[in-house]
Amino acid sequence: KNEVEQSPQNLTAQEGEFITINCSYSVGISALHWLQQHPGGGIVSLFMLSSGKKKHGRLIATINIQEKHSSLHITASHPRDSAVYICAATLNTGTASKLTFGTGTRLQVTL
Amino acid sequence: DSGVTQTPKHLITATGQRVTLRCSPRSGDLSVYWYQQSLDQGLQFLIQYYNGEERAKGNILERFSAQQFPDLHSELNLSSLELGDSALYFCASSVVALGEQFFGPGTRLTVL
Repeated sequence: KNEVEQSPQNLTAQEGEFITINCSYSVGISALHWLQQHPGGGIVSLFMLSSGKKKHGRLIATINIQEKHSSLHITASHPRDSAVYICAATLNTGTASKLTFGTGTRLQVTL
Repeated sequence: DSGVTQTPKHLITATGQRVTLRCSPRSGDLSVYWYQQSLDQGLQFLIQYYNGEERAKGNILERFSAQQFPDLHSELNLSSLELGDSALYFCASSVVALGEQFFGPGTRLTVL
């Protein structure tokens, strides 16, 4: 079983829809990251959070430490949001900072 | 643009060969990470350096090695290459060892 699980694996939405991607983890973490990978392959860090909620534009990330669960929300989705969204956890390993990745959610937003 | 640079962008080589991938972190970032992304394994952490010293090791094969130089750039050396080593190799950097990571554009390695 992966230490970081994401759902759904694939998601298709129409422009304007509210989107939620879920991430759960089974080990102690020091932080949870949400990454975006575009078809060209480049990876962009969207959020790094260890508690509560963060918002950037139309993107919102939340984390519930007790439930070991995080969500990424996209409001008013747009075709340019089409990408793979990856959840990654920084495991509690003292001073090391290795990321363990979920398998990603492929999002397609259509007109 | 994350500020992290990687060279080369693409690399095509043959089995058994050795290659070196290079990464320059963002200005001021002390920590460098290497990741491998293959079609069947997804993203995997390989190794982390902090200010020249190895800090954490992941699923890095013995045929692979890395180092971080005094100017903080890093190199990932892959030797005795196999077909299965074909992948995207990403470098990322952060200011501190537990900080937010910024990813480079990646090097696409194809082993024929």
